[in-house]
Amino acid sequence: GAGVSQSPSNKVTEKGKDVELRCDPISGHTALYWYRQSLGQGLEFLIYFQGNSAPDKSGLPSDRFSAERTGGSVSTLTIQRTQQEDSAVYLCASSPRVPSGGGAKNIQYFGAGTRLSVL
Amino acid sequence: KNQVEQSPQSLIILEGKNCTLQCNYTVSPFSNLRWYKQDTGRGPVSLTIMTFSENTKSNGRYTATLDADTKQSSLHITASQLSDSASYICVVSALRGGSQGNLIFGKGTKLSVKP
Repeated sequence: GAGVSQSPSNKVTEKGKDVELRCDPISGHTALYWYRQSLGQGLEFLIYFQGNSAPDKSGLPSDRFSAERTGGSVSTLTIQRTQQEDSAVYLCASSPRVPSGGGAKNIQYFGAGTRLSVL
Repeated sequence: KNQVEQSPQSLIILEGKNCTLQCNYTVSPFSNLRWYKQDTGRGPVSLTIMTFSENTKSNGRYTATLDADTKQSSLHITASQLSDSASYICVVSALRGGSQGNLIFGKGTKLSVKP
C-alpha cells in the first residue's frame, strides 16, 4: 500500500479481555516497529521485527504482550487480559531496513495508530 | 545510558513568530538525528534527518542544526503557521547496538501556534 495501515483505528474493550492490533507495513519494508504512546507522553518502544524475527523484545511491558509477523509483512500485536493501564495509542512504523546509518532509506514511516481504551 | 532530552516540554507562540526547539542527546556511537512532526491523532512524520557531517538542514520553514561535539540539535521554525501546532519529536539513531532497533526517542515538544 501507499503507507502504513493500522487497524482498528479505535478499540474499546473491557478489562480482562484480549485484543489484537494489526499493522500492514509499506510493501517491501523489512523492518517493522511497535510503539506505545500514552496521553501526553513520548513514544515507548515495544518491539521491532527484522523480517519475521524479533531481535529486540525488551520493550514489551509484561508477558501479556506478544507480537508476531508473518511473511515479512503483516504484524499483529496481542494484549491478553487487558488492564486499564494498557489504554494508549499503539503506533506501528516500518522502514526499508533497521536504521543503522544515515540516508532516506532509513526513515521510519508511521501509521496513524490504534487508540485502545480499556474500561 | 543512551538518552534524548527535549526542551521546552511545551511552547505557545503567536502566528507569524519564529521559535526554536532544543534536543540534547547522549547516544553513542552516534549515527544520525531526526526530527519528526506529530499532529494530534496522527503518526509522526519525518521532517529532517542529519548525519554526523551535516550541521544544518532545511525543509521549507523548518531548519534543523546539529552540533555533534556538544551533542545538541535545534529545530527552528520560521514564520509559524497555525498548522505548525503539533508535537515535535527528536530521534537519535545509534550506529549499532540492537536495542530499540537503534532508535532513541525524545518525549517531544508540544507546540501551539495561536492566531
